[in-house]
Amino acid sequence: GAGVSQSPSNKVTEKGKDVELRCDPISGHTALYWYRQRLGQGLEFLIYFQGNSAPDKSGLPSDRFSAERTGESVSTLTIQRTQQEDSAVYLCASSRDRGGYTFGSGTRLTVV
Amino acid sequence: GQQLNQSPQSMFTQEGEDVSMNCTSSSIFNTWLWYKQDPGEGPVLLIALYKAGELTSNGRLTAQFGITRKDSFLNISASIPSDVGIYFCAGGTSYGKLTFGQGTILTVHP
Repeated sequence: GAGVSQSPSNKVTEKGKDVELRCDPISGHTALYWYRQRLGQGLEFLIYFQGNSAPDKSGLPSDRFSAERTGESVSTLTIQRTQQEDSAVYLCASSRDRGGYTFGSGTRLTVV
Repeated sequence: GQQLNQSPQSMFTQEGEDVSMNCTSSSIFNTWLWYKQDPGEGPVLLIALYKAGELTSNGRLTAQFGITRKDSFLNISASIPSDVGIYFCAGGTSYGKLTFGQGTILTVHP
């Protein structure tokens, strides 16, 4: 597609439930990134996929967070047993080279 | 880990005035990027810098990659109301993950 597509755009879930967030990167972009943005804050790196290399998971805040990507296509970020502190906007970005990322519009997650 | 100090945290300006914001780091980066984020949207890339000392313009925006590789600034000339938003700097050591500043909230008064 023309841009990075994320779904859902908004998600409200009950504490303790699992959620799955989806990212469709720009076609041909080999790198895919997930970031978290809490209200009024900057972007916090979560995980990075580059082609078929092992992902850089160094930013995942706990083992409740996991992400997968099949080849150079869709990625899903899964949060298990959600907590209220998980409430944030989850942003996905993709890039082809070091020309900078293209971000999606994000998924706004609210845990109640 | 690497941290970026972005300043100011917020700024108010009159339409038509020039504004400037900057980022500094204790670590060296080989890429500096500037993004703008509007409410409810993801950040949009404004300018990318790849070489120490590089000065790049994009319309009314000008950004520079500091010689020490530890800083960058963004200037907006003749600000207009649609410049309102949050501006983020980001530094990268490769085309892998970027480290983002905390953002500068810009308000432009007509």
